[in-house]
Amino acid sequence: AQSVTQLDSQVPVFEEAPVELRCNYSSSVSVYLFWYVQYPNQGLQLLLKYLSGSTLVKGINGFEAEFNKSQTSFHLRKPSVHISDTAEYFCAVISSGGYQKVTFGIGTKLQVIP
Amino acid sequence: DGGITQSPKYLFRKEGQNVTLSCEQNLNHDAMYWYRQDPGQGLRLIYYSQIVNDFQKGDIAEGYSVSREKKESFPLTVTSAQKNPTAFYLCASRETSGTYEQYFGPGTRLTVT
Repeated sequence: AQSVTQLDSQVPVFEEAPVELRCNYSSSVSVYLFWYVQYPNQGLQLLLKYLSGSTLVKGINGFEAEFNKSQTSFHLRKPSVHISDTAEYFCAVISSGGYQKVTFGIGTKLQVIP
Repeated sequence: DGGITQSPKYLFRKEGQNVTLSCEQNLNHDAMYWYRQDPGQGLRLIYYSQIVNDFQKGDIAEGYSVSREKKESFPLTVTSAQKNPTAFYLCASRETSGTYEQYFGPGTRLTVT
């Protein structure tokens, strides 16, 4: 069994301020980790992913995330947000074997305040 | 351009009617997924398919049915047995090896009254 916890349902932040969106997971097997972004009434778009190698991964739009195996976390960060970053962000894991089940967190709405 | 198409974007139905949502991909992906999205509940997996003619129930399959007769197509039928069908439905696909990320369609918003 696996699960994903996004600790904050909404995060308001002022424009040009840094932001961190938190994600923790649990799984009995090895997993791969993802962050997706969803703009209103659209599908999801991949921001970044961790499969192996360096634990700090960089994605599109200036976002980055760090995989911490001991804390089972994969927090998303951006040093300076823009109005256009206002969206909902989803953390997801996929098990590395078997049916490779995908599990999503409930999402975090990032609201950038001008 | 390669991608996933879902049609229609908006769908309205009367209660008691079955309705089929279309999902087509030209990415040559083996795996396809259907999710339901409700406010504050994230994405919940309805059905998924790793290969043609095979599919598995997800976490909320009751009241839904799927078929996978062709690699590029994975239609979802919302039956009258689904108690609360009004939602945003997302289709996704991915390779079964390699990059692992899912590619999503634009979604269909279904309203049942």
